[in-house]
Amino acid sequence: QSALTQPPSASGSPGQSVAISCTGTSSDIGASDHVSWYQQHPGKAPKLIIYEVDQRPSGVPDRFSGSKSDNTASLTVSGLQTEDEADYYCCSFGGKNNWVFGGGTKLTVV
Amino acid sequence: EVLLVESGGGPVQPGGSLRLACVGSGFPFSEYSLNWVRQAPGKGLEWLTHVGAGNYMWFADSVKGRFSASRDNAKNSIYLQMNSLRVDDTAVYFCTRDKYWASDYWGQGTLVTVSS
Repeated sequence: QSALTQPPSASGSPGQSVAISCTGTSSDIGASDHVSWYQQHPGKAPKLIIYEVDQRPSGVPDRFSGSKSDNTASLTVSGLQTEDEADYYCCSFGGKNNWVFGGGTKLTVV
Repeated sequence: EVLLVESGGGPVQPGGSLRLACVGSGFPFSEYSLNWVRQAPGKGLEWLTHVGAGNYMWFADSVKGRFSASRDNAKNSIYLQMNSLRVDDTAVYFCTRDKYWASDYWGQGTLVTVSS
């Protein structure tokens, strides 16, 4: 159950767009549409922002979007705002009745 | 309002045991699967176990044989029994509600510290 691979950091200026990648294998991301993304601010519990690859829960701004191609999922944050500065984690349901998370990406809005 | 509240964390010595509880409210508890997810200090998230609405359970390889789980729908609760605890089990343990194979609600977490 190896962790999914995310870049440790990403950055962008207010108003810009940034994409965060999440690479897995043909056993997890490549085999599943059950890919989700979480936002976590310091000292807080994670918050679901994308599920089923590209679906947004109610209340999540449409600035957040998700996609998937082969074994890689991506989260794009458009129109960056200062409050988007947080850690972001991807997650995929695997082929052995398990979930695997990515290592996390720290997004800085400079 | 959906709420998940974890309890039972605290300090424990290596080799010891601890039982965490999670109480849910604001939703039909028996109809939902729930997960336990942990986060070591300064580290990322790690899925541990899935407690199905039908009372089936799946575990991460890292805790199979040491951790067990159960649910009591009459008390709107799930539990995580942790045995043979190791220093690297030190983490905040979150209870989450499963929807669409994702964790749509999270508790505030309970801290487990394994140290001699």
